[in-house]
Amino acid sequence: NAGVTQTPKFRILKIGQSMTLQCAQDMNHNYMYWYRQDPGMGLKLIYYSVGAGITDKGEVPNGYNVSRSTTEDFPLRLELAAPSQTSVYFCASSYDNNEQFFGPGTRLTVL
Amino acid sequence: DAKTTQPTSMDCAEGRAANLPCNHSTISGNEYVYWYRQIHSQGPQYIIHGLKNNETNEMASLIITEDRKSSTLILPHATLRDTAVYYCIVRISGGGADGLTFGKGTHLIIQP
Repeated sequence: NAGVTQTPKFRILKIGQSMTLQCAQDMNHNYMYWYRQDPGMGLKLIYYSVGAGITDKGEVPNGYNVSRSTTEDFPLRLELAAPSQTSVYFCASSYDNNEQFFGPGTRLTVL
Repeated sequence: DAKTTQPTSMDCAEGRAANLPCNHSTISGNEYVYWYRQIHSQGPQYIIHGLKNNETNEMASLIITEDRKSSTLILPHATLRDTAVYYCIVRISGGGADGLTFGKGTHLIIQP
């Protein structure tokens, strides 16, 4: 199993641009999550999903959107990038919402 | 979820046991203690979790005090690869289908 994969690994955006961060898992997990991690801080939850077609907001959802059309994929959309969204983004999945498996992260810089 | 308090950083000699404390004095009866770690620039990795009994797996042991207000994660024979930030998280098992609340954790440095 590849586990949780994320693309791209790095990205630089200009203010106002949009992009989609991709996340996929091949473990047939129902639960999936998006977190962001700012320098020197712990992770903060952006959005989560308990299954295909179901998503919900986490602690810091403003400026982001998600969709979950399949069990495997959970893309995160930034519509109007702002410097405050410069961060490392981690996707995770879980079978039972206990042990979460994390991807390698996407490092995003907004200039 | 209950709040946790951890030391900012700790050192441990390679080959020795690393004991990482966590205070969670406001923990509720149905909340579990989870431990994750994050090796530099990587995604967090699950280590162990428990309710009130001590737990052990291939990575670590978790010791929870009888009053459940604190716990200790033990890495029995620390190696250089155990250098990481360790997060203690308290939440209901299975949560409310929501995610994990990460604090700043303890930066554990294993010295050769």
